[in-house]
This record gives sequence, structure tokens and C-alpha cells, in this order.
Amino acid sequence: RKEVEQDPGPFNVPEGATVAFNCTYSNSASQSFFWYRQDCRKEPKLLMSVYSSGNEDGRFTAQLNRASQYISLLIRDSKLSDSATYLCVVMNYGGSQGNLIFGKGTKLSVKP
Amino acid sequence: GAVVSQHPSRVICKSGTSVKIECRSLDFQATTMFWYRQFPKQSLMLMATSNEGSKATYEQGVEKDKFLINHASLTLSTLTVTSAHPEDSSFYICSALDSSTSPLHFGNGTRLTVT
Repeated sequence: RKEVEQDPGPFNVPEGATVAFNCTYSNSASQSFFWYRQDCRKEPKLLMSVYSSGNEDGRFTAQLNRASQYISLLIRDSKLSDSATYLCVVMNYGGSQGNLIFGKGTKLSVKP
Repeated sequence: GAVVSQHPSRVICKSGTSVKIECRSLDFQATTMFWYRQFPKQSLMLMATSNEGSKATYEQGVEKDKFLINHASLTLSTLTVTSAHPEDSSFYICSALDSSTSPLHFGNGTRLTVT
């Protein structure tokens, strides 16, 4: 089993749709979780951290399920500008170093 | 918010030459910096983890003698691609960690083209 797995997509959705991405991780001791967004030929940008209690930022909701070892990202009322690749990132810590595991990303394409 | 500056953003070099890429954390001290490579339509691939004052840890399959990493201070890490070849053409991105629990901050990336 890969350390971090995501459905590569692409997810093709119409504007206004609700879309959900899941990401599973294999290390039950993983400590921090994030969703990054990467536009074509650009660097990844932090979209949101994922907390155990779940967190929401506008149209975006992230949730963590430690028992099942997955995190999710829900995007409501999709906009054309949401088209990007969404990267799930899991971080494990040993001392002062972060061991960072990236998912391969899920591509989202929002159509008019 | 925390900013990571990566320079240059784009470089074209001839085969056989060396290229140095700088990654600076502008408003925080980064004890750990990461270097990634991304080929077109592929995901980010971690090349190495750079810790200030110690040798970098390279991922399997990444040649440490070809990709020289120096993390001489808490705000600067450099990646030197030595004797570059066309197959080294890629998008190189650095990121920095400013505490053990915060998310990563990424540089803007360097697009390297080796002719």
C-alpha cells in the first residue's frame, strides 16, 4: 500500500457543483495533514490544514478520520477558478525533522 | 505570512554546465528545507531533505554527487545541478519548514531547461 493515495481524477464537474476528494494514508502515527493546490506549472500553495475536528474555510471543508486513516476535501459551489490539482500532504515527525509524504494529486476541472 | 524566495525562476543552460538554485526563507528560520522535482504532468517528487548544518538526506535514486545541496544557514539552502544534461530539465521547487507543526512554505520554483 502506498503511503499516501489519492484518486488522480480528472474530476470534470460543472460550475456550481459540489465535489469531494479523498486521500488515504498508511502510517497511523502521521501527525499533520494538509491540502495544497497546484496550478499548472506553478508551485503548490497551501489550501488548508486539516484538523481532527474538521475545519471549514468558505466553500472548502476538510475532514480527518484517524480511525480509517483518510482525509477529505469538499468543495461546494465550484468555480472555474477552482480548476487545479489538489495535493494531499501527510507529515510525520521525528525529532525536529519533518518526513513529508505527498499524494500524487487529484486533478479538478470545472467547466462552465 | 511566511515567505520562501527561490531564485532563479527560470534558467536555460548548456549541457555539461552546472546550475545553482537558491532557496531562502525570508521571515523565519528554516531548520529543514526540502527539494523537489516535478516533470510535466507528474506529481512532485522529493529529491532530498536539507537540514541546517548537516548533510542532506537524499531519496532513493537521487544522485548526491550530481545534485549538491548546501544548507549553510537557517535561511538559505542551495541546490546545484552539476554537469546538467537535457534529462535534468524539470521544474525544481524548494520548501521550508518553520516549526515542527506548521505547513510547508514553497518557493516559486525554478524551471530548468538544459539544451
